[in-house]
Amino acid sequence: SQTIHQWPATLVQPVGSPLSLECTVEGTSNPNLYWYRQAAGRGLQLLFYSVGIGQISSEVPQNLSASRPQDRQFILSSKKLLLSDSGFYLCAWSLNRAQPQHFGDGTRLSIL
Amino acid sequence: SQQGEEDPQALSIQEGENATMNCSYKTSINNLQWYRQNSGRGLVHLILIRSNEREKHSGRLRVTLDTSKKSSSLLITASRAADTASYFCATDPFQSNQFYFGTGTSLTVIP
Repeated sequence: SQTIHQWPATLVQPVGSPLSLECTVEGTSNPNLYWYRQAAGRGLQLLFYSVGIGQISSEVPQNLSASRPQDRQFILSSKKLLLSDSGFYLCAWSLNRAQPQHFGDGTRLSIL
Repeated sequence: SQQGEEDPQALSIQEGENATMNCSYKTSINNLQWYRQNSGRGLVHLILIRSNEREKHSGRLRVTLDTSKKSSSLLITASRAADTASYFCATDPFQSNQFYFGTGTSLTVIP
């Protein structure tokens, strides 16, 4: 069966520090991968999605970047965090756009 | 914005009652999905309904889709305390690379 792992579960970082959140998927090949951010009490905002290794798309201007160095690994990064980067970050995968997405347990990021 | 809007924002019912949540969106879609989120956790997929479908069932869940009104509803029958969670709709618009999640309905089922 397929599983998705996301870590860390919580993270507290100072303003201006770098960020690296990792997400890995097991049990499937060539999945679509997604990074979302959820503000408190709000819906999810799609930050990045990837349909293959090295293929990253984003339609939201932001302070973050994403990379997919391996088929089932998706990394969210920042060189210098802003206060506005605080939130709940969720990684997800799907077989394709027409299929359900399966989410990790999320990373709660607090910027001080 | 294409973002879906759920209605109501919060719903509190007694165990055994039915819960109905609504979702409205703005542009044509390929499909619409409903997800559930327990506090502080990731989302769990419930049902996907395609634009050419009008109704789908899964256990105690019933989803309808009215593309002419650009709206969907999620009905949970015979609710249980374990159904307490936030429920989100998500749309996959035509000719867009985005997925749009609504702001969610917070459901509380009182034992």
